[in-house]
Amino acid sequence: DAKTTQPNSMESNEEEPVHLPCNHSTISGTDYIHWYRQLPSQGPEYVIHGLTSNVNNRMASLAIAEDRKSSTLILHRATLRDAAVYYCILRRPITQGGSEKLVFGKGTKLTVNP
Amino acid sequence: NAGVMQNPRHLVRRRGQEARLRCSPMKGHSHVYWYRQLPEEGLKFMVYLQKENIIDESGMPKERFSAEFPKEGPSILRIQQVVRGDSAAYFCASSPLRDTQYFGPGTRLTVL
Repeated sequence: DAKTTQPNSMESNEEEPVHLPCNHSTISGTDYIHWYRQLPSQGPEYVIHGLTSNVNNRMASLAIAEDRKSSTLILHRATLRDAAVYYCILRRPITQGGSEKLVFGKGTKLTVNP
Repeated sequence: NAGVMQNPRHLVRRRGQEARLRCSPMKGHSHVYWYRQLPEEGLKFMVYLQKENIIDESGMPKERFSAEFPKEGPSILRIQQVVRGDSAAYFCASSPLRDTQYFGPGTRLTVL
């Protein structure tokens, strides 16, 4: 599986935008970029995913670099409830030799200051 | 639509006892995954099951651990003869048709 690199931690202020980076320089053409987050004492929660184009949903936006070697999760207005560990995960379709399991790295611990 | 349910939420066992962790997937989901999160570590995949079948158990310890997902009822992760090193949070996830995985709240196992 291609590897992802994320900063260990980031801080933000409430109601400000947050940009969480992820590097995946060995990504293959068929790998999807997924983001999950884990709030304290809870299970992981799906946030967003994409392949090549930028994606938006009610939780966040995903900006994917043109060469796909990096991506950025954008929280438009951070709230205290967004404090969590954010994981960037690459997933390859089964038909392309991928597996079902999610491979979690250490993620980025986001602290949101009031 | 209820989310993934896990019970118990907290489980305390003494060394040598058995632990049974239950996972009820979301309605309509036929794929179940188990992950383990040791203290201060990331989540590690354990096993992937479909109804009545184990599809991938590459992350399961070779001994004492087993999992099942019967035709009726919840998925069960069973740990026999627990040891202190089994203390962890165990998360179950479910998905429809090999799609996005939705996680439960986890079972926190403490082995005394």
